[in-house]
Amino acid sequence: DSGVTQTPKHLITATGQRVTLRCSPRSGDLSVYWYQQSLDQGLQFLIQYYNGEERAKGNILERFSAQQFPDLHSELNLSSLELGDSALYFCASRWGTGDTGELFFGEGSRLTVL
Amino acid sequence: DAKTTQPTSMDCAEGRAANLPCNHSTISGNEYVYWYRQIHSQGPQYIIHGLKNNETNEMASLIITEDRKSSTLILPHATLRDTAVYYCIVRRGSGNTGKLIFGQGTTLQVKP
Repeated sequence: DSGVTQTPKHLITATGQRVTLRCSPRSGDLSVYWYQQSLDQGLQFLIQYYNGEERAKGNILERFSAQQFPDLHSELNLSSLELGDSALYFCASRWGTGDTGELFFGEGSRLTVL
Repeated sequence: DAKTTQPTSMDCAEGRAANLPCNHSTISGNEYVYWYRQIHSQGPQYIIHGLKNNETNEMASLIITEDRKSSTLILPHATLRDTAVYYCIVRRGSGNTGKLIFGQGTTLQVKP
């Protein structure tokens, strides 16, 4: 158990809909990272937050947005869903930023868009 | 961050050592080598990291060549539960955001 909690574990929805994925980082971790893993793309970095502020951005679509709240949990919002958004979405956390610390990953949220 | 090259797949007999190579010929002096693994759609799991000295922990050993252009992850006594995709990643040790950029990794199949 990494200490990172993601909900929901599974989600099935239809094209055009909007969903929210939630991540609770390890206790005391200030950084949260979101990744997308689809069959044909591998693990893709989406976005990072550090203590409530966006710190790094990767291949995140404009239809996707994220935020980190004062209690440090984070949410990834996916809107106008398309079939291609079906994927595993992972959240990871670590204490700081800019050092050699490892990332701790949650078990992921599996999104299926029909 | 420097790019890495890994074999697509490898097999290993159960109980034997698994040696997973990684090439990172463009690595810079302040970049570390990290290894993570992902067991069948679970979240990636940290294994080990190093800068230039060899490192060992309870999971594995990391051997980095003197010129730092390549490294080898060693699982000393592979078990069936070590079947996974292993990712070798290079990242700066300071001034980074902490994000990891994953490549395709090596799929290790441990066979009975």
